[in-house]
Amino acid sequence: GQNIDQPTEMTATEGAIVQINCTYQTSGFNGLFWYQQHAGEAPTFLSYNVLDGLEEKGRFSSFLSRSKGYSYLLLKELQMKDSASYLCAAPFGGYNKLIFGAGTRLAVHP
Amino acid sequence: DTAVSQTPKYLVTQMGNDKSIKCEQNLGHDTMYWYKQDSKKFLKIMFSYNNKELIINETVPNRFSPKSPDKAHLNLHINSLELGDSAVYFCASSPLPGTQETQYFGPGTRLLVL
Repeated sequence: GQNIDQPTEMTATEGAIVQINCTYQTSGFNGLFWYQQHAGEAPTFLSYNVLDGLEEKGRFSSFLSRSKGYSYLLLKELQMKDSASYLCAAPFGGYNKLIFGAGTRLAVHP
Repeated sequence: DTAVSQTPKYLVTQMGNDKSIKCEQNLGHDTMYWYKQDSKKFLKIMFSYNNKELIINETVPNRFSPKSPDKAHLNLHINSLELGDSAVYFCASSPLPGTQETQYFGPGTRLLVL
């Protein structure tokens, strides 16, 4: 089967840190993506993890545990512009098919 | 320069009509996709082409027919539009096929069927 779960909504305060979790069940897993989507706009690539561990990229970091079927996106020093949906996505079952979670809508407040 | 472009951005039409959405990418990518994002924000793959060849064809009604005249273009034609077709349709491209490739999305086409 194929399933990706992430929280529907989160809120956080400007300047704070927030962690968005994603769990997945898959066959043929070979990596996990995080995309950011502002309201009314296209998804844009944030990160890709294929090995276990934490990958840091500026204020954003992404973690993967393949044995646990678990990933998280860590956003530090939150800014108002980080208010967006964050989509977890993983390839399933072979040839170039990316399955997206429903997205976590993050609201950053002053 | 726009990397992945779609036209039109908005499309409002009556049930039963036939409409087309066009997509072009100037990134030199080999692979292009169509996704549907419904009101609940699920982004679902519909089709994928690699160098004009159909490689992913998900379970969508056969009223939806993609066409790729060349590897830089992927169009989507929809016959006999239904209310449930209302959604945002995103085109995307990636350098190559393969599940480790980053996908680049177009701005979306907001389709409303009345």
